[in-house]
Amino acid sequence: QVQVVESGGGVVQPGGSLRLSCAASGFTFSSYGIHWVRQAPGKGLEWVAFIRSDGSNQLYADSVKGRFTISRDNSKYTLYLQMNSLRTEDTALYYCAKGSGFFLDYWGQGTLVTVSS
Amino acid sequence: QSALTQPASVSGSPGQSITISCTGTSSDVGGYKYVSWYQQHPGKAPKVMIYDVSNRPSGVSDRFSGSKSGNTASLTISGLQAEDEADYYCSSYTSSRTWVFGGGTKLTVL
Repeated sequence: QVQVVESGGGVVQPGGSLRLSCAASGFTFSSYGIHWVRQAPGKGLEWVAFIRSDGSNQLYADSVKGRFTISRDNSKYTLYLQMNSLRTEDTALYYCAKGSGFFLDYWGQGTLVTVSS
Repeated sequence: QSALTQPASVSGSPGQSITISCTGTSSDVGGYKYVSWYQQHPGKAPKVMIYDVSNRPSGVSDRFSGSKSGNTASLTISGLQAEDEADYYCSSYTSSRTWVFGGGTKLTVL
């Protein structure tokens, strides 16, 4: 069955960096775009980034543009999110979600990122 | 990239129908047939309930339906059941080639 499993979350100081990973299984990873979506504690969903199936195009929310980089290794069935210059407002549960057309059809359980001094 | 506008909360009794609205602009909801709806129970990951305005994924109850008129999309749940109590989020593709979510609506089944 389709699975995406996030990892790499943790506590980091403001200005620091963190790299999240998303391991996929149960589908042909190289055929699908993948999204990152985040949810601050007690808040709603916020779309963060998307990468096309072949990695040729990356799209970002204005709130993270220039600080976050989405990438993928299709040979390893893994998606990444490199997060630099982290701010307290980046504190959230980060979800990886498989794209299907223009919607997100399978979501992981998320990995928690806490930015705090 | 302003969030789509949803009511903060809606409620209904078992067996009733409710509708959740999702208002955007001509650059997102009004400009594309790419509105989707997600259900999220507390502590759980979101689950897609409707995609491309009105399509239901396999396995989603036909009590859930979607529609769109102009810049406003709607999710209707008929025959409300206790397990429908959850947060619901709309989402749309945008002219900036990004995606945007609504602020979320808490559904309470009385």
